[in-house]
Amino acid sequence: KNQVEQSPQSLIILEGKNCTLQCNYTVSPFSNLRWYKQDTGRGPVSLTIMTFSENTKSNGRYTATLDADTKQSSLHITASQLSDSASYICVVSASYSSYKLIFGSGTRLLVRP
Amino acid sequence: DTGVSQDPRHKITKRGQNVTFRCDPISEHNRLYWYRQTLGQGPEFLTYFQNEAQLEKSRLLSDRFSAERPKGSFSTLEIQRTEQGDSAMYLCASSLPTMRDRYRGNTEAFFGQGTRLTVV
Repeated sequence: KNQVEQSPQSLIILEGKNCTLQCNYTVSPFSNLRWYKQDTGRGPVSLTIMTFSENTKSNGRYTATLDADTKQSSLHITASQLSDSASYICVVSASYSSYKLIFGSGTRLLVRP
Repeated sequence: DTGVSQDPRHKITKRGQNVTFRCDPISEHNRLYWYRQTLGQGPEFLTYFQNEAQLEKSRLLSDRFSAERPKGSFSTLEIQRTEQGDSAMYLCASSLPTMRDRYRGNTEAFFGQGTRLTVV
C-alpha cells in the first residue's frame, strides 16, 4: 500500500532555533514529493516540489532534501519564526497517477517566543 | 483574489440533511480535485476532474456523495443524507500542468481555504 509516514508527530521549538522534519514513503513508482504548510483551519500551501532527480530544494528558510533510493525526505527550517507554527505535510505522487496526491498526517510545529 | 475559492467556509447541518459545497478554481486551470481532511490527519483524495470529465473517484466517495463540474470551470460537491462521520474539512485544489510538467508528473496543485462541515 502506498503510504507516507512523517515524524515527529508534533514538535515544540523556541523562536530562532532550527528544526528538521522527516518523511518516509513507500509510494512506487515515485513521481514527485512536495512539502506543504497548513495553518489551522486553512488550506495547504506549497513550499517545495521535487522530482526523483533532485536532491535538495530551498524556499527561503525552508530547505527540503530527497533521497529517492532510501525513499526519505526531510524539511529543514532555519531561524524559526512564530509564524512558522503550523502543520507541515509531506505529499507524494506516483508516476501512474501523478494527479493523485498521497498525504502524510503532518508534523505539527509550535514555535514559542 | 485569484486563488482557489471555496464556499461556504463553514457549514453546520443536522444529520440527514443534504449539503452542497462550491469550488471556483484558478482561472484556466483544467484540473480540479476534491479532498477530505479530518482532524489531525492529512487530506484524503476524493475525486478528480479534467475539464468537465470526472476521471477518478475514490472509494471514500460513497453513493451519498456526488461531484460535478458542468462547464469545466467551477465544481460542486453534494452530500446527501449527511452523517456525523461526514464532519470534516473539504478541500478543493486546481492545477494547470505544462507539457513538461505532465511528462514529469509535476502538477503543482493550489488549494482553497476549505469548507468546514459539522454534522450535528
